[in-house]
Amino acid sequence: DGGITQSPKYLFRKEGQNVTLSCEQNLNHDAMYWYRQDPGQGLRLIYYSQIVNDFQKGDIAEGYSVSREKKESFPLTVTSAQKNPTAFYLCASSARDRVSRGGNEQFFGPGTRLTVL
Amino acid sequence: AQKVTQAQTEISVVEKEDVTLDCVYETRDTTYYLFWYKQPPSGELVFLIRRNSFDEQNEISGRYSWNFQKSTSSFNFTITASQVVDSAVYFCALSRGRDDKIIFGKGTRLHILP
Repeated sequence: DGGITQSPKYLFRKEGQNVTLSCEQNLNHDAMYWYRQDPGQGLRLIYYSQIVNDFQKGDIAEGYSVSREKKESFPLTVTSAQKNPTAFYLCASSARDRVSRGGNEQFFGPGTRLTVL
Repeated sequence: AQKVTQAQTEISVVEKEDVTLDCVYETRDTTYYLFWYKQPPSGELVFLIRRNSFDEQNEISGRYSWNFQKSTSSFNFTITASQVVDSAVYFCALSRGRDDKIIFGKGTRLHILP
């Protein structure tokens, strides 16, 4: 089955530690995204990547880092510089329409809930 | 600037009632796309519909229907004969035509009471 997997489902981190959240997709999508969701809030874009070896900052990139070495994978590292990392993290991917270039729906993984102890 | 407003934070209705979720958007682009996503308690967002700015036809899919009105910048979502399984958070979202970045509203939490 095609889809997006995220691991782990729950993650606990001590203050001052870096942690990496995994996101893998087998949909052959070019674009991948990371969002953060806080209670009662919508999704806020952290980073996105439209092609391999290239990525751009979203609205709240400070304290986070990403890499895109393979089309299928887009891991997110939450660094110790992120002051309030406790949140629900969602990864998504979308195909790229070569004609319209935009407006494609995004497909989401099941999410990772990160808690800082 | 682009913005999506879902003024209803939380709605509760009794099963089998109809319910409408409001969505108002702001954009200066002439080409844009509107979306609705459902987030059940499991957390994963489920895509429901995409509409482009040139297609104002209303859409019906089973018990779900969407009303897109450019004159009022609204893209409302109606569930007819609601069921308990419809309980979720629903997000309206907007994307401009130049890339796939999506801006989400803050969501409406819908409770369907048995």
